[in-house]
Order: sequence, then structure tokens, then C-alpha cells
Amino acid sequence: DGGITQSPKYLFRKEGQNVTLSCEQNLNHDAMYWYRQDPGQGLRLIYYSQIVNDFQKGDIAEGYSVSREKKESFPLTVTSAQKNPTAFYLCASSITGKSLLNYGYTFGSGTRLTVV
Amino acid sequence: SQQGEEDPQALSIQEGENATMNCSYKTSINNLQWYRQNSGRGLVHLILIRSNEREKHSGRLRVTLDTSKKSSSLLITASRAADTASYFCATSLSGSARQLTFGSGTQLTVLP
Repeated sequence: DGGITQSPKYLFRKEGQNVTLSCEQNLNHDAMYWYRQDPGQGLRLIYYSQIVNDFQKGDIAEGYSVSREKKESFPLTVTSAQKNPTAFYLCASSITGKSLLNYGYTFGSGTRLTVV
Repeated sequence: SQQGEEDPQALSIQEGENATMNCSYKTSINNLQWYRQNSGRGLVHLILIRSNEREKHSGRLRVTLDTSKKSSSLLITASRAADTASYFCATSLSGSARQLTFGSGTQLTVLP
């Protein structure tokens, strides 16, 4: 079955540590996205990538970094510069171009990051 | 600031009743989408309505779009306890088919 997989489901970070969240998709989607969700709130865009080896900052990119070396993978690193990283992180993928006007995103099941 | 804002923030109904959620947005859009999120899970795409459409149905879901008022509504008919979830609207802005902007969601509770 095609889908998008995020791992781990739960992640604990100590102060000053960098951590990397994994996102893998086998939907052959060109575009991938990272969103952050805080309790009781909507999703805010961190980074997105329309094509391999290219990515763009979203609304809240500070303290985060990404890479897109393969079409299937879009890992997110939460760096020590992110002062309030405790949140639920969601990865999504989609087709691109004009076809996106007719299709939605496919989301992973999320990673809950907690600073300890 | 959020492009889409849902109303109400929370809604509690009895099983079998209809649930209506509203979404308002600020700028011109290509399409508007509704997603569902069960607690602690990812979002699931429910339905998409294009800017040139006024109404769309999918099973027990009915979505309307009024571009003159920059608003949309999601109606879930004959609700079930399993419909309990958060519902988000998301907009794809005109001139940019590259990313969605999400509202803050409506928490729907369907009581058995």
C-alpha cells in the first residue's frame, strides 16, 4: 500500500540537542512538507520541497533544517536554536503543478517531540 | 496570520444529528479543502472544492463555497460517534498552487 511514514512516533530531546525526524513516502509524490501543530491550534508550515535537491522556508523555519536528497525522503532536523520545540510534527506529500488544484495532501501519522 | 478560520471552535451534538462547521478566509483561492484529524493522528483529506464550484457532496459530507463572502461550510449529516475528531479547512491561494494554509480547526464531539 502506498503511504507516508513518519518515525519515530514519540521523541524526547534534551536541552541543546539536535534531533532528526524521519519522513518517507512511496506515493511517487514530488512535493513534501513539514508542519508543526501546537495543542488546540492549526498547522504551521516549517519547510516544503517541490523537487529533489530543492526546498523552501515556510512561515516558521527558524531553528529547523531539512534536506531532500531523494524523492522519497524529507527529514527534518530540530536544532538547538529552536527554543520551544515541544510540538506535534506532521509530514505531508502531494503531486505538483496544475494537478494540485484538484488533489489534496497525504499526511503521515506524526511525531510528538518533547523536550526533557 | 491564519488564512482560514473555523467556527465554532468546538461543537458537541448527539448521534444522528447534523453537524455544520464554517470556515472563513481572507484572500482569493484556487481551492478549499477539508481535513479530519483524530486525536494524536495525522490529517486525512476529506473533500476539495474548487473556486469555480459552489457545492460538492461526498457520502454524508456536503461542502459549500461562497467566494463573494470568502466562506465555506462543511455539513456532516446523520453524525456518528466515530465522526468525533477535529476538522480543518485549508486553502490553496490563487497564484500559488504550492502550499496549503490551515485554519485552527473545529473540535467535533458526537455523543452516543
